[in-house]
Amino acid sequence: AQSVTQLDSQVPVFEEAPVELRCNYSSSVSVYLFWYVQYPNQGLQLLLKYLSGSTLVESINGFEAEFNKSQTSFHLRKPSVHISDTAEYFCAVSPQGAQKLVFGQGTRLTINP
Amino acid sequence: EADIYQTPRYLVIGTGKKITLECSQTMGHDKMYWYQQDPGMELHLIHYSYGVNSTEKGDLSSESTVSRIRTEHFPLTLESARPSHTSQYLCASSDGRRTRTGELFFGEGSRLTVL
Repeated sequence: AQSVTQLDSQVPVFEEAPVELRCNYSSSVSVYLFWYVQYPNQGLQLLLKYLSGSTLVESINGFEAEFNKSQTSFHLRKPSVHISDTAEYFCAVSPQGAQKLVFGQGTRLTINP
Repeated sequence: EADIYQTPRYLVIGTGKKITLECSQTMGHDKMYWYQQDPGMELHLIHYSYGVNSTEKGDLSSESTVSRIRTEHFPLTLESARPSHTSQYLCASSDGRRTRTGELFFGEGSRLTVL
């Protein structure tokens, strides 16, 4: 079975500061990896995903995540956050061939001016 | 932009009422899901469907029921709502025939409050 652990339930940062949201997973098979973002009073939106190839993936709004197979991690980073990045972020894994997404508990990112 | 729609977005009702949360997608996805999201953010899978006339219970036990009579439609029903059903309900779909990655597309959510 797969499991996902998001190590921080809440992360407060100041505007324009860098941020890292941590995600570790466990799986006995290869996985696809995802980060979803949920803005207040909305559903989840896909932020970025790793399927294969380069282990560093980027989103259109400046976030990036790096797949580290040896450490079974997929941490999300942004060098400079904006107030509009305030949201909840969910890491998820899907075992290859199973087509079933397993979510982490979520991390609430709060940006302070 | 995902084409998956949930109605109502917000619903406040009294105990004992029957409610149906609607979910429709226009992407032709074969798989659909209902998640319950508690105030602490965590997502719990309560129902899923891999095709028409196929429904299964998820990881979290729920008193709600679902049906899948048409590919695009996956409504969730509570026969008798209780305050313990107060939650955010998220509908999602995926294309199990083409992409096979498990990637989900979510609706905006239905926030249910039972008084």
